[in-house]
Amino acid sequence: NAGVTQTPKFQVLKTGQSMTLQCAQDMNHEYMSWYRQDPGMGLRLIHYSVGAGITDQGEVPNGYNVSRSTTEDFPLRLLSAAPSQTSVYFCASSRSLWRRVNEQFFGPGTRLTVL
Amino acid sequence: AQKVTQAQTEISVVEKEDVTLDCVYETRDTTYYLFWYKQPPSGELVFLIRRNSFDEQNEISGRYSWNFQKSTSSFNFTITASQVVDSAVYFCALSESNNDMRFGAGTRLTVKP
Repeated sequence: NAGVTQTPKFQVLKTGQSMTLQCAQDMNHEYMSWYRQDPGMGLRLIHYSVGAGITDQGEVPNGYNVSRSTTEDFPLRLLSAAPSQTSVYFCASSRSLWRRVNEQFFGPGTRLTVL
Repeated sequence: AQKVTQAQTEISVVEKEDVTLDCVYETRDTTYYLFWYKQPPSGELVFLIRRNSFDEQNEISGRYSWNFQKSTSSFNFTITASQVVDSAVYFCALSESNNDMRFGAGTRLTVKP
């Protein structure tokens, strides 16, 4: 049981480049989410999904796209990277029961630098 | 929108001291969930506790205890007899029933030997 896995661990991009951060979980969790962590700001929710085929925006969605074609995978796409997207990105998952919010399990994070 | 405030940016204590980390939240929902996570220097996020808005019982788990007070919108975390391994950044988080979780800015705890 690997839990939540993220690839890559580190990435350096040039401004304007695109890339996809991968996230997978093997716990059959319905809910998955992406956060970014910046110094002094805690974690901020980018996008989340309550099940395959369903995604929604969080607090800071601009510049990011997501899709959820399977229960296991929830990739985060940066279409045109900007220096403001330099951050540590965490993917998380949790069981999703109707109107009950459970604890989230986090991946190890991806440290992204945009030059 | 919901909001979490952790006013203590950094706390430094000497081993075996007790320490309390403060968390104040804002929400308009009557149903909500509060969480504490620990982020040690290695960077991963470790779940510590979940509390729903209908359960105001305080909880104790070993050296850790949590005080939930709806009257003051606070969910404080106390570590008794702190140890060096407790050094980490601690995050308080709030989620209303729509799964939109908001984190506080975190409190960096340093426990010196």
